[in-house]
Amino acid sequence: AQSVAQPEDQVNVAEGNPLTVKCTYSVSGNPYLFWYVQYPNRGLQFLLKYITGDNLVKGSYGFEAEFNKSQTSFHLKKPSALVSDSALYFCAVRRNSGAGSYQLTFGKGTKLSVIP
Amino acid sequence: SAVISQKPSRDICQRGTSLTIQCQVDSQVTMMFWYRQQPGQSLTLIATANQGSEATYESGFVIDKFPISRPNLTFSTLTVSNMSPEDSSIYLCSVLTPPPHTGTQYFGPGTRLLVL
Repeated sequence: AQSVAQPEDQVNVAEGNPLTVKCTYSVSGNPYLFWYVQYPNRGLQFLLKYITGDNLVKGSYGFEAEFNKSQTSFHLKKPSALVSDSALYFCAVRRNSGAGSYQLTFGKGTKLSVIP
Repeated sequence: SAVISQKPSRDICQRGTSLTIQCQVDSQVTMMFWYRQQPGQSLTLIATANQGSEATYESGFVIDKFPISRPNLTFSTLTVSNMSPEDSSIYLCSVLTPPPHTGTQYFGPGTRLLVL
């Protein structure tokens, strides 16, 4: 079975400071990893994904994430936070082969609050 | 990417009634998914709906409660039958863009359901 852990329910950061939202995963085989953002009363928006190749993945709105295989982590980062980044962030994992390999498993989400 | 719309965007329903949620995609896709997001929770996959075949339900979800139709490659419906207050959730439609193994899941805006 595959799983995702987002150890922080909430992350608070001052505007202009760097932000990190943590994610660790467990999956058999090689993972495909995703980050999504959910603004209040909205659906999920895709931010970025890791499939293969460069461990540092760049995505929408200036976000990036680093895949670390040895630590089974895929932390989301942004060099300078904006108030508009305040939202709920979900990490997700999918197996890259085998039965059920299309199925996404989500973490419980991390609420990011950027303080002006 | 894919642009997904859902109808209705929100509804308030009485216990014992049924609600059908529509999902429309702006391009042809093979794989569509229905998720549930209970208040303050992460996303849980209800079923996978592929055109031309019966939907595949996840553990804890049954066809009698959540019948799904997938008449073509751009449209699907999810019915929430014989509703109870425990069905109050956000229901999200999602599609997987090709290629299937490395593609991205995009989500609709969700249908917010309150059952009284």
